[in-house]
Amino acid sequence: EVQLLESGGGLVQPGGSLRLSCAASGFTFSSYAMSWVRQAPGKGLEWVSAISGSGGSTYYADSVKGRFTISRDNSKNTLYLQMNSLRAEDTAVYYCAKNYLPHYGDFDAFDIWGQGTMVTVSS
Amino acid sequence: DIQMTQSPSSLSASVGDRVTITCRASQGISNYLAWYQQKPGKVPKLLIYAASTLQSGVPSRFSGSGSGTDFTLTISSLQPEDVATYYCQKYNSAPVTFGPGTKVDIK
Repeated sequence: EVQLLESGGGLVQPGGSLRLSCAASGFTFSSYAMSWVRQAPGKGLEWVSAISGSGGSTYYADSVKGRFTISRDNSKNTLYLQMNSLRAEDTAVYYCAKNYLPHYGDFDAFDIWGQGTMVTVSS
Repeated sequence: DIQMTQSPSSLSASVGDRVTITCRASQGISNYLAWYQQKPGKVPKLLIYAASTLQSGVPSRFSGSGSGTDFTLTISSLQPEDVATYYCQKYNSAPVTFGPGTKVDIK
């Protein structure tokens, strides 16, 4: 069964850091670009960042550029999001999401989503 | 950056009604458009990709159409289990962008 399982969320003070992880199983992880998508409480979906299957290309929303870093370890089938200089507006459920097609490109529809991990930025 | 808009922002319809949601891109995106359903408290679910291709396992009452800048999601006969928020998403290039969502409930 194809699965994504996020971890690492929690409560952090403004200006703090947090690293999210997303453990993948049931598919050839390295063949798929992956993304992080967030959803603030009661709000819509916001794409945060994407990474190619090899990890050689990364992309960011303007709202997180320079503060967040996406990475992956294909030997561990794990996706990461390092979040620094966190702000109250970063409070959200963070989902990792898998591209629909392998070796297709860095951008695609997302066919598999994790359950999400909650990040709360508050003093 | 390309902006995505959706209309209406919410709608209420009766069971069995035909429901249409519109998504518009500020620039042409060919058919790089997906639709998602998110039920309250749940994870988004892919319904349609490439503007009109139904994802495996999705009921055939859902359909998508459009190309370029104007797209529609149609539910041919609304069912109680279709109560959800529906999002369009463009994915031709970065930044990937979601529409603001359309909340659908039963009258």
